[in-house]
Amino acid sequence: GNSVTQMEGPVTLSEEAFLTINCTYTATGYPSLFWYVQYPGEGLQLLLKATKADDKGSNKGFEATYRKETTSFHLEKGSVQVSDSAVYFCALKDFGNEKLTFGTGTRLTIIP
Amino acid sequence: NAGVTQTPKFRVLKTGQSMTLLCAQDMNHEYMYWYRQDPGMGLRLIHYSVGEGTTAKGEVPDGYNVSRLKKQNFLLGLESAAPSQTSVYFCASSQTRLGGDYGYTFGSGTRLTVV
Repeated sequence: GNSVTQMEGPVTLSEEAFLTINCTYTATGYPSLFWYVQYPGEGLQLLLKATKADDKGSNKGFEATYRKETTSFHLEKGSVQVSDSAVYFCALKDFGNEKLTFGTGTRLTIIP
Repeated sequence: NAGVTQTPKFRVLKTGQSMTLLCAQDMNHEYMYWYRQDPGMGLRLIHYSVGEGTTAKGEVPDGYNVSRLKKQNFLLGLESAAPSQTSVYFCASSQTRLGGDYGYTFGSGTRLTVV
């Protein structure tokens, strides 16, 4: 079956530091890949997505590249801000399957 | 504001009590989902619906029932609550069968505690 493995947290960084949150996946088909973000007290919001190999999703300074050869979709940001403090979820969805499979989430805290 | 609205936001139940969580969306989405979020386990799909009048089991359906009598509403019921059902519950909706490619819209969650 499908599965998503995320870098364990929590992750604490100083403002303006470089961020990487690792995500690897196992899928039976050819999935679409997503990063969702959950701010305190809120539901999940789609941050970025990629639907085929070598696609790069980007939003709000975050980027992730769909790497089929390494089955990875690592999230990166060059300079984090305090407002980026949240929980980040990597997820995948196979074509024709209704279910989004989520990783366990990585809690990110940015210190001023 | 358009989106997914969940009620209630918080609830405390005693073991054996029943309750219904309501999810309403005003985006005319076909697909709706109920997830539960537990520490260290991410989000797990409980039940989902591909249209009005339809429901299907997800990954962890036991102890829950659902109904989709109207397109805009998706109800999650707990007939006899157990402490293991203490969790944060999220409802989501999407536009098409490939809605995941465009992202799901999530509600803000219901925090349920069963004592």
